[in-house]
Amino acid sequence: AQKITQTQPGMFVQEKEAVTLDCTYDTSDPSYGLFWYKQPSSGEMIFLIYQGSYDQQNATEGRYSLNFQKARKSANLVISASQLGDSAMYFCAMREEPGGMKTSYDKVIFGPGTSLSVIP
Amino acid sequence: NAGVTQTPKFRILKIGQSMTLQCAQDMNHNYMYWYRQDPGMGLKLIYYSVGAGITDKGEVPNGYNVSRSTTEDFPLRLELAAPSQTSVYFCASSYEGGSYNSPLHFGNGTRLTVT
Repeated sequence: AQKITQTQPGMFVQEKEAVTLDCTYDTSDPSYGLFWYKQPSSGEMIFLIYQGSYDQQNATEGRYSLNFQKARKSANLVISASQLGDSAMYFCAMREEPGGMKTSYDKVIFGPGTSLSVIP
Repeated sequence: NAGVTQTPKFRILKIGQSMTLQCAQDMNHNYMYWYRQDPGMGLKLIYYSVGAGITDKGEVPNGYNVSRSTTEDFPLRLELAAPSQTSVYFCASSYEGGSYNSPLHFGNGTRLTVT
């Protein structure tokens, strides 16, 4: 069964510093996608970055990058040059490949989240 | 372009009442999802659908029902509301096409309190 673990309930980072948010996952499927979402205090869910299991390079989107280590089943989010507006909850999520011999369609499962606070 | 629209934004129910949370998307997405988020917690998948007429259970389906008669709409029904169903409910949708790299687009949530 799919499982996402985020072991850091809360993190603090100084403004302009880089921070890494951890995510490990468990799946028996060779094909899957990993996502990171940001949830500010206003409550909306904002998509940040995606990494496919067959992607050769780590994904990057502006100040966000994903440190993907497939053998270790980890997909850590790196935020460079932290800003005060980065203070939020961050969720890692996974989708397994649909179809094939599976009887269930593709679910998207979320981890418990990490609360990031950026200190001025 | 409205995206994913959820109604109502807020609702208070008494124990034992029923209600339907509405979700509509105008992006022609086949995949739709319902999640609940308890205070300080992550999102738990309730039900999802890969197209009209096709639904499946997620991680926490008990106490809920869904239907998907059109591509656009995916309502979530609560029967016999209980205090444990107090939560924020998010609806989301995504593209399919055999691709697993489509991000979910979320609605703004419905905050439900059962007292």
